[in-house]
Amino acid sequence: NAGVTQTPKFQVLKTGQSMTLQCAQDMNHNSMYWYRQDPGMGLRLIYYSASEGTTDKGEVPNGYNVSRLNKREFSLRLESAAPSQTSVYFCASRTGGPTDTQYFGPGTRLTVL
Amino acid sequence: GESVGLHLPTLSVQEGDNSIINCAYSNSASDYFIWYKQESGKGPQFIIDIRSNMDKRQGQRVTVLLNKTVKHLSLQIAATQPGDSAVYFCAENIGGATNKLIFGTGTLLAVQP
Repeated sequence: NAGVTQTPKFQVLKTGQSMTLQCAQDMNHNSMYWYRQDPGMGLRLIYYSASEGTTDKGEVPNGYNVSRLNKREFSLRLESAAPSQTSVYFCASRTGGPTDTQYFGPGTRLTVL
Repeated sequence: GESVGLHLPTLSVQEGDNSIINCAYSNSASDYFIWYKQESGKGPQFIIDIRSNMDKRQGQRVTVLLNKTVKHLSLQIAATQPGDSAVYFCAENIGGATNKLIFGTGTLLAVQP
């Protein structure tokens, strides 16, 4: 099993450009999550999907959209990138129960100029 | 311990010593707690978890202690090794319908050879 995979690993955008971060998991997990991590701060939840076909806002959803394409894939879209969105983005998944472990991907390092 | 801000708290220990990393959590209703390890350039990796109906749980070289009275969580690492050098995050599960994890800001563990 590859676990949670993310593409791309690195990306540089100009202000106003758009892009989609891809995430896939092969563990048959119901729930998937997108976080951002900024220097000296913990992970902040952007959006999550408790199950296929549902998505909900997290702590910092502004400027982002998500799509739960199927059970395996959960993408994060920046429609008009801003320098404040420079961050490392992590995707995670878990089975869905309250004591299930959340597994993380390797991250995407995004710089917006 | 953990704190909000741009600079991570740092714990520096000698190889072979025991390490104790502390975390204060915020929500009395949290039902599940997890410790993650994050090495440079990688995603967070699960270390150990504990349910709210327990006060201690042991793994291989790691022990988690939970004090619900003061909303405090600690991670003890026995015989710390250079490979333990990383940032350690605690996370609390906010139960109910949302079932989301809230992460602390992290503690940098630096192991001196």
